[in-house]
Amino acid sequence: NAGVTQTPKFQVLKTGQSMTLQCAQDMNHNSMYWYRQDPGMGLRLIYYSASEGTTDKGEVPNGYNVSRLNKREFSLRLESAAPSQTSVYFCASSEQGFNQPQHFGDGTRLSIL
Amino acid sequence: AQKITQTQPGMFVQEKEAVTLDCTYDTSDQSYGLFWYKQPSSGEMIFLIYQGSYDEQNATEGRYSLNFQKARKSANLVISASQLGDSAMYFCAMRGPQGAQKLVFGQGTRLTINP
Repeated sequence: NAGVTQTPKFQVLKTGQSMTLQCAQDMNHNSMYWYRQDPGMGLRLIYYSASEGTTDKGEVPNGYNVSRLNKREFSLRLESAAPSQTSVYFCASSEQGFNQPQHFGDGTRLSIL
Repeated sequence: AQKITQTQPGMFVQEKEAVTLDCTYDTSDQSYGLFWYKQPSSGEMIFLIYQGSYDEQNATEGRYSLNFQKARKSANLVISASQLGDSAMYFCAMRGPQGAQKLVFGQGTRLTINP
């Protein structure tokens, strides 16, 4: 009963390093999302993919890229990490439709030194 | 643009009491969904309950219910008979019919249940 799986759970990077956060869902959902959660600010959308083969920017896309590898997998890449990207990152998936809940992974806690 | 406002940064409640967490929203959409999520200290986001804009009945899921007042644009979460395990952050969110259908979150309310 995996749902949405994110890897890694924790990561520490130095400024300027790159890394990719992985996300996979086994619920056959079309839509996938990446959010970041900063203290006192709730969750904000970075990028989303409405369906396989499409991606689009969300509210805070600067400094990130994404790849929808297939229907199951949606990765988030930091090309040159900055301290401002220290955050908790959540991947989510859902069916399309405003009445459908989004299901979240357990999050990746990322620190940029 | 959609906006969610949660005006209670923190709440403290005695075990077994009922608690109401406030949520007001703003949108120009006629169709939308309202959601509540729980985030315990372990960090995961747990979906609790959903209310649709056209639903005439208030949503209920076990000890959770939603006091939906469409004219006032409010969707308050009511937890009956609170338990120690209810201590967590609670987020109200909404989702509209356009574009990404992203979730727009409020800033959350930290609920602490005292024994």
